[in-house]
Amino acid sequence: AQSVAQPEDQVNVAEGNPLTVKCTYSVSGNPYLFWYVQYPNRGLQFLLKYITGDNLVKGSYGFEAEFNKSQTSFHLKKPSALVSDSALYFCAVRLFSGGYNKLIFGAGTRLAVHP
Amino acid sequence: NAGVTQTPKFQVLKTGQSMTLQCAQDMNHNSMYWYRQDPGMGLRLIYYSASEGTTDKGEVPNGYNVSRLNKREFSLRLESAAPSQTSVYFCASRRLAGVDNEQFFGPGTRLTVL
Repeated sequence: AQSVAQPEDQVNVAEGNPLTVKCTYSVSGNPYLFWYVQYPNRGLQFLLKYITGDNLVKGSYGFEAEFNKSQTSFHLKKPSALVSDSALYFCAVRLFSGGYNKLIFGAGTRLAVHP
Repeated sequence: NAGVTQTPKFQVLKTGQSMTLQCAQDMNHNSMYWYRQDPGMGLRLIYYSASEGTTDKGEVPNGYNVSRLNKREFSLRLESAAPSQTSVYFCASRRLAGVDNEQFFGPGTRLTVL
């Protein structure tokens, strides 16, 4: 089955340290991959996407993600975490299924950045 | 631009009651979507509208109906609410269907069915 997995329910990081939020996918063909962030009581906001080209993509708020085809992963990274980065992060993959393009979301990873 | 707006923000229903969740976008987007978000399950697509005048079922359409009233508005109706429909509902829009641009999400409607 085509799916997206975020293996960690929560990631805890000290402010100023690098952070990684993991995502792996299982889809046929070339995946289109996305990261979204959700702050409390808000809708999801787009962070970045990988469609093709350079495996390292840069997005909003200093985040970046690395596409690794052999490991079927698309991990989200940031060199130096901020307390304000604390939020819920969703990985998603776009696939064509059932006659339409749709986004499949992972279950989400809660990032907690401690001062 | 307000982006994607949703009303109401919160709603409590009794089992069997009906209600309509409203969604509007002012970005001239063609495609619109309704998702529900449940703990530990990410977002699941209920219905979508690839363009004005069309609607199609997503992953979890049972118990819901939708109307794409015009290009701006896409409403979600619960005809007879059930406790299993307690969730946070998000509307989203995208400029073009079938292209790799991102979706823009509304702030959500938190629905509780007693």
